Amino acid sequence: DVKVTQSSRYLVKRTGEKVFLECVQDMDHENMFWYRQDPGLGLRLIYFSYDVKMKEKGDIPEGYSVSREKKERFSLILESASTNQTSMYLCASSSIPSGYTFGSGTRLTVV
Amino acid sequence: DQQVKQNSPSLSVQEGRISILNCDYTNSMFDYFLWYKKYPAEGPTFLISISSIKDKNEDGRFTVFLNKSAKHLSLHIVPSQPGDSAVYFCAASAGYGGSQGNLIFGKGTKLSVKP
Repeated sequence: DVKVTQSSRYLVKRTGEKVFLECVQDMDHENMFWYRQDPGLGLRLIYFSYDVKMKEKGDIPEGYSVSREKKERFSLILESASTNQTSMYLCASSSIPSGYTFGSGTRLTVV
Repeated sequence: DQQVKQNSPSLSVQEGRISILNCDYTNSMFDYFLWYKKYPAEGPTFLISISSIKDKNEDGRFTVFLNKSAKHLSLHIVPSQPGDSAVYFCAASAGYGGSQGNLIFGKGTKLSVKP
């Protein structure tokens, strides 16, 4: 069964901390994505990557960065966490024609 | 500006009846449409898709209809079951795959199916 695995289901971090959210896929997909989901705002794209070492900004990249050193791993980094980054973070991967496969999500709370 | 719109944030339906979830889009370049279902504390899961060369796709209790002239698609669930209660996201892409194929998601509709 194909999988996208996010390393943590729940995280609590303090304001100003550097936060790493890890995502690993085992499907050899080229494309990987990071979204956040907030009530009433749906899924908003933060960053995506089409290949190793490649990254592109999505709709809301401010306050975030990403790293893709290996094809299977796509990391989201909050350089200095703030309370408005409290959210559900979803990683996805995709390859033609299989569509997007999402991870289970990480519920991040910044206090 | 929203390219994919789900204008109903919520929908409540009685078990056994039909659920109809609607989605409108503005970009005429979209040629592939998908529906995802999301339970709380889980990631979205793929439900059903349709390409722009078709106007209907059916999979068990789920049917997606596409009206290209109206830039409108809908998801029908018949009969609705309590386990269908979830948030449903409509998504669209232009030239699916690679750098042209990012999915654009609507804001979601929360479906509640009451026993």
